[in-house]
Amino acid sequence: QLFLHESGPGLVNPSETLSLTCSVSGGRIGGSFWSWVRQFPGGGLEWLGYVYVNYPDGTNYNPSLKSRLTISADVSKNQISLHLTSVTAADSAVYFCARDQTERVSKWEYNYYMDVWGKGISVSVS
Amino acid sequence: EITLTQTPGTLSLSPGERATLSCTASQSVSTTSLVWYQQKEGQAPRLLIYATSTRAPGIPDRFSGSGSGTDFILTIDRLEPEDFAIYFCQQYSDSPSRCTFGQGTRLEIK
Repeated sequence: QLFLHESGPGLVNPSETLSLTCSVSGGRIGGSFWSWVRQFPGGGLEWLGYVYVNYPDGTNYNPSLKSRLTISADVSKNQISLHLTSVTAADSAVYFCARDQTERVSKWEYNYYMDVWGKGISVSVS
Repeated sequence: EITLTQTPGTLSLSPGERATLSCTASQSVSTTSLVWYQQKEGQAPRLLIYATSTRAPGIPDRFSGSGSGTDFILTIDRLEPEDFAIYFCQQYSDSPSRCTFGQGTRLEIK
């Protein structure tokens, strides 16, 4: 069974960089998409970006965060990382990592869904 | 960007009743790209249904999904106490963001 565990600081100073790690156990990260999603105090969910762990890795970011966000993978450690620069109070949220499945249904169709999530880590910018 | 609007914001029902939750997209969404999640307090979202109507492994058959185009429905028959939670819909598209979420429907005990 796959488990994801987010770790990092719970408090970050404004203008600094938020760095989080998602440690994956029970399976290898290679060959899968891994997304970061955050949930604001009001409950809304926002997709941040993903890394596709392959040779080479591929990434895709939410356009609203693209200039500040880097997501990467370390296959040797079986970990996914997030780095968000120049944080403000608006970045305060619970951050989740999730396996983001792209399941081929036919030649041209795919099913998409996030089937395994970490418990999340609460981050406050203050 | 496709936005998802979930209605109602809060639904108050009793155990044993049927819940009908709506998710309306601002543009047409592929049926393979519409997903439902359940979230309980202090927990991560849990995958319920993907591809509009396919239940995830371990999800009871009292949960069902339907819809097409811009209108999608999550139905929960015979509500159990553990079903009272927040439900989110999600859609996938490539432009400009990989996916977006609805704002959620809170299902509460009446």
